[in-house]
Amino acid sequence: DTAVSQTPKYLVTQMGNDKSIKCEQNLGHDTMYWYKQDSKKFLKIMFSYNNKELIINETVPNRFSPKSPDKAHLNLHINSLELGDSAVYFCASSQAKGLGEAFFGQGTRLTVV
Amino acid sequence: GQQVMQIPQYQHVQEGEDFTTYCNSSTTLSNIQWYKQRPGGHPVFLIQLVKSGEVKKQKRLTFQFGEAKKNSSLHITATQTTDVGTYFCAGTASKLTFGTGTRLQVTL
Repeated sequence: DTAVSQTPKYLVTQMGNDKSIKCEQNLGHDTMYWYKQDSKKFLKIMFSYNNKELIINETVPNRFSPKSPDKAHLNLHINSLELGDSAVYFCASSQAKGLGEAFFGQGTRLTVV
Repeated sequence: GQQVMQIPQYQHVQEGEDFTTYCNSSTTLSNIQWYKQRPGGHPVFLIQLVKSGEVKKQKRLTFQFGEAKKNSSLHITATQTTDVGTYFCAGTASKLTFGTGTRLQVTL
């Protein structure tokens, strides 16, 4: 069983569309994250949830909206996609906020054309 | 805000040579973690250091946490082609912040 799974793995879409990426973890962790990795490989945190509560919301356009229906799931919805949104998006989870190992999903490569 | 920088950005070595990446934080950290990301893969946890001056080893990898808990290093002895990838440090102050990464290329 994959510890942190995210779908889809690849997403190609046109500018202006709305899309969602789903993430699930079966590790029983309290904290989940969304990271964006750009073409230079920088890993930037976007959001963090602890027990379904938003605890970190970095400077991210409000076109990006995370949703955590329960502590095992953290989805990312993106409205009005732009070319600059093209990147790899990683979901991750950890036992506690910023402490202990973070487990990453396989990533979703988003390409906006 | 908290910033974590790594140098070098990129290093190309021949197999058998040593490699070191350095990590520097703008703020004092409660812990430092190291991750490896293979090309096309996702970051995978390697180790966590918590104590000031701590040194840990994993086979050919040696990790250090600075006395002031603001810097860290990863040293690989006698690199192999399997070491290829990007190495990230990640430090926790108010939140876990990833460093800028060092991409390691190893050739025969």
